[in-house]
Amino acid sequence: EAGVTQSPTHLIKTRGQQATLRCSPISGHTSVYWYQQALGLGLQFLLWYDEGEERNRGNFPPRFSGRQFPNYSSELNVNALELEDSALYLCASSLQGYNEQFFGPGTRLTVL
Amino acid sequence: LAKTTQPISMDSYEGQEVNITCSHNNIATNDYITWYQQFPSQGPRFIIQGYKTKVTNEVASLFIPADRKSSTLSLPRVSLSDTAVYYCLVGERAGFKTIFGAGTRLFVKA
Repeated sequence: EAGVTQSPTHLIKTRGQQATLRCSPISGHTSVYWYQQALGLGLQFLLWYDEGEERNRGNFPPRFSGRQFPNYSSELNVNALELEDSALYLCASSLQGYNEQFFGPGTRLTVL
Repeated sequence: LAKTTQPISMDSYEGQEVNITCSHNNIATNDYITWYQQFPSQGPRFIIQGYKTKVTNEVASLFIPADRKSSTLSLPRVSLSDTAVYYCLVGERAGFKTIFGAGTRLFVKA
């Protein structure tokens, strides 16, 4: 069974640009979660999508947004990139209502 | 949301049993306790989950006392490859603003 996949693996942008990160959940999983992990720090919850709707949001500014498509894949968009947005962005999926999240390998975003 | 408190770091030697305790004093009735393991530059991996008493799988055991205000992850006979960060999470549903704390950095020495 294929795990959670994320693309791209690495992304380099400059300040002010926009970044789009993509995630495909495990087949059958309807919930997708996004996390930000700055170097050497813990995971910060960003967004939770389920059945195409945003269910919950962490303490991040509105320039962090996303969506979930009918096939349950998801996109994370970060507008007006700032240097401190440089981090590993992790996507996870789960069956609806279950606590066990399966994480993808992440996208390393570098903002120059 | 129940806040969790874990030791920042722990050291151990290969072959030893490691116990990592997590405090969650304001755990709610419907909350489950979940532990994840994370290696550098990788996403966390689910280890074990429990509600009360003891849960055991092929990787670890989870001990939860009757008052559920703490829990202990037990890793039997650790190896160098168990060096990682271990996170304790408490919550009713995974997506309900899941909060990963700083975790416990376990260093296993030869």
